[in-house]
Amino acid sequence: EPEVTQTPSHQVTQMGQEVILRCVPISNHLYFYWYRQILGQKVEFLVSFYNNEISEKSEIFDDQFSVERPDGSNFTLKIRSTKLEDSAMYFCASRLQDTSYEQYFGPGTRLTVT
Amino acid sequence: SQQGEEDPQALSIQEGENATMNCSYKTSINNLQWYRQNSGRGLVHLILIRSNEREKHSGRLRVTLDTSKKSSSLLITASRAADTASYFCATDAADSWGKLQFGAGTQVVVTP
Repeated sequence: EPEVTQTPSHQVTQMGQEVILRCVPISNHLYFYWYRQILGQKVEFLVSFYNNEISEKSEIFDDQFSVERPDGSNFTLKIRSTKLEDSAMYFCASRLQDTSYEQYFGPGTRLTVT
Repeated sequence: SQQGEEDPQALSIQEGENATMNCSYKTSINNLQWYRQNSGRGLVHLILIRSNEREKHSGRLRVTLDTSKKSSSLLITASRAADTASYFCATDAADSWGKLQFGAGTQVVVTP
């Protein structure tokens, strides 16, 4: 069964460094999302991406964040200058099409900022 | 802002028993989805119920939706130890591009 994959599973970085989290959505899906979950807290929406552009973003998704779909398969989240409070589990999700609302999540990347 | 809020926060039952958890939300939705998360792992999609549906079944799962009360419930029948996980409801607002808003979850422990 097709699934969303994410790499790396765990990333440790120093404050101020740039990180890129990678996702491979399910191949025929058209909508892509990033969410994050700080330890012990709710899953929070970051951004949605459709037709090669951001369709919606949350207040969390400020200028330090960017997303890209550099080729036909990868979907990346970049944090330019990481802060301690960016430490969280980051989940990528994808969705098939307009009339299909189920989102399928990847296993997540645990980001630890020291 | 619209949020799904689950109740109870934690539930401990024995194998074979049913587990019921509830979710409340605040504004109009397109659909409501339930997810399961095993400790430290990803979110697994369980079931989606649209705003014009009242009840849906999938295997041992039964979901209800009451849009007048802005609430949903998830029932797991004949629970198994493997059902031990956190369960989250997530609402998809009527005017969004699929942005899901998650509740804090219900932690379910099923003991053999």
